[in-house]
Amino acid sequence: DQQVKQNSPSLSVQEGRISILNCDYTNSMFDYFLWYKKYPAEGPTFLISISSIKDKNEDGRFTVFLNKSAKHLSLHIVPSQPGDSAVYFCAASAPDFGNEKLTFGTGTRLTIIP
Amino acid sequence: EPEVTQTPSHQVTQMGQEVILRCVPISNHLYFYWYRQILGQKVEFLVSFYNNEISEKSEIFDDQFSVERPDGSNFTLKIRSTKLEDSAMYFCASSDLLTTTGGNTEAFFGQGTRLTVV
Repeated sequence: DQQVKQNSPSLSVQEGRISILNCDYTNSMFDYFLWYKKYPAEGPTFLISISSIKDKNEDGRFTVFLNKSAKHLSLHIVPSQPGDSAVYFCAASAPDFGNEKLTFGTGTRLTIIP
Repeated sequence: EPEVTQTPSHQVTQMGQEVILRCVPISNHLYFYWYRQILGQKVEFLVSFYNNEISEKSEIFDDQFSVERPDGSNFTLKIRSTKLEDSAMYFCASSDLLTTTGGNTEAFFGQGTRLTVV
């Protein structure tokens, strides 16, 4: 049962352009969404998050958009840089005080072309 | 910057043997987690731990698995009798409590331990 889906296993973007990574979810109980970036042989690194009470959160080059009615979120990276090449995981959690386990998507491998 | 550290980075063990994976969470965090990622698959939740007890565990976390916080700093995952299918990257994570909302902050992950069962 894939509650969090990232339908694009890979994405290639030219340096300087916008990268858009997409994520869909099925569990309407999810109220907190996160994006993690992962390099090979390293653990996931937190990138940005959004609560379900918002529809947009911005942090520097990274913006996450949430469309609750469509159960869809996206991560925008602009401008894309070579160091952004990594696997990006979307994750979600449902409210459970003190125990917000994360449900991860399968990841999208982003390659930035110089 | 504080970080979650895991040891060893790579563990090779024979099927049927016991392994202990160790983690030192971020010092002021209160919530601890283990996740695993089988090669080519997604990161999966195993167990969460708070106030010296398991908060939640997934169906993967069967009787072969156990967790412990033996002292104030370490958080361990024990697999009693390893199987070939336990081969995976195991990630420890920790998070803090948001005093404003009562919810958690984002989880911070360690570098992972690659477990290879032969």
